[in-house]
Amino acid sequence: GNSVTQMEGPVTLSEEAFLTINCTYTATGYPSLFWYVQYPGEGLQLLLKATKADDKGSNKGFEATYRKETTSFHLEKGSVQVSDSAVYFCALTKYNTDKLIFGTGTRLQVFP
Amino acid sequence: DGGITQSPKYLFRKEGQNVTLSCEQNLNHDAMYWYRQDPGQGLRLIYYSQIVNDFQKGDIAEGYSVSREKKESFPLTVTSAQKNPTAFYLCASSPDRGGTEAFFGQGTRLTVV
Repeated sequence: GNSVTQMEGPVTLSEEAFLTINCTYTATGYPSLFWYVQYPGEGLQLLLKATKADDKGSNKGFEATYRKETTSFHLEKGSVQVSDSAVYFCALTKYNTDKLIFGTGTRLQVFP
Repeated sequence: DGGITQSPKYLFRKEGQNVTLSCEQNLNHDAMYWYRQDPGQGLRLIYYSQIVNDFQKGDIAEGYSVSREKKESFPLTVTSAQKNPTAFYLCASSPDRGGTEAFFGQGTRLTVV
């Protein structure tokens, strides 16, 4: 079946450090891939998405590239801020299916 | 503004009582979902609905019930049969059947006392 695997956290970084959160997926065909962010006590917000191979999603300095050859969608940011501290979820869905499938989430903690 | 509204934000329930969580959307989305989130864990799908008057069980439906009488509303009832109901509950909607992103409400934190 379809699944998403992401690196366990917490990821602890100093402000302005480079961020990578790994995400790999298992799916037949061509899923759409997403990164969501959850701030404390809140719901999830879409951060970025990619709908086909080699697409790069980007938003607020975050980027992720849909790599079909490695079935990966790693999240990166060149310089993190304290305000980026949150839980990040990788997810996939396929057209004409019924579910959005999430990874277990990775907590990011950024210190000044 | 369009969006998804969950209420209440915090809910306390005594053991043995049923409780209903509200979820309303004004995005004109066809699909709606309920997820459960436990500390340090990912999201687990409880129920989902692709169309009015129809819904399907997700991965952890036992002890929960839903209805979809209107397109904009998808309430979740946590019944007394749910053995461990204390959790954070998230409602979401999406425009169609997969392939597009979901939009989430702010969540309801349910605590059984």
